Amino acid sequence: GAGVSQSPSNKVTEKGKDVELRCDPISGHTALYWYRQSLGQGLEFLIYFQGNSAPDKSGLPSDRFSAERTGGSVSTLTIQRTQQEDSAVYLCASSSRQGSYEQYFGPGTRLTVT
Amino acid sequence: KQEVTQIPAALSVPEGENLVLNCSFTDSAIYNLQWFRQDPGKGLTSLLLIQSSQREQTSGRLNASLDKSSGRSTLYIAASQPGDSATYLCAVFIVQGAQKLVFGQGTRLTINP
Repeated sequence: GAGVSQSPSNKVTEKGKDVELRCDPISGHTALYWYRQSLGQGLEFLIYFQGNSAPDKSGLPSDRFSAERTGGSVSTLTIQRTQQEDSAVYLCASSSRQGSYEQYFGPGTRLTVT
Repeated sequence: KQEVTQIPAALSVPEGENLVLNCSFTDSAIYNLQWFRQDPGKGLTSLLLIQSSQREQTSGRLNASLDKSSGRSTLYIAASQPGDSATYLCAVFIVQGAQKLVFGQGTRLTINP
């Protein structure tokens, strides 16, 4: 079956612009995660959605970052007024809440802020 | 705060050798541990997942062990091949507080033909 998909694969934007990154999880997976991978920080957790519950936003680095998940499926990560330090690869993962909680990752979106 | 450390940061070995990658974590309250592979410019591919109640998992030439009490895991790769060259990431899944994976910095592995 289809894995986790993300779009766009690459995004170049000017400092100060807003960007939206999209994630389509594996069908039937109720949990969805966003992570960020940057050279200086490695892989770090951003936000977690579980079903229709309120998301856990504890990893978001600033109030310029927000995310939503519509209909318990597709998720959008929005970064407002982008800064150069936002340049990174943004990875999405999904998992089933039953069993092993194994997370399956998408290919990521490489964001470059110029 | 959970911290994950991977040693070594980089490793280069000739083809055919068996090798071990190490991962340590500071808090034993984990739900599971996953080993991932990442090729340059790509996402993460899950290699093995060990539940906290398990001691090891095997898949083909890969074997991962877990010693939760000492906060250690190892990934053993047998008969290494050039196609094994990649960055290997260890991550622990925690469910207290924010439910999330906490990653190590990775080991960059190069297998020389």
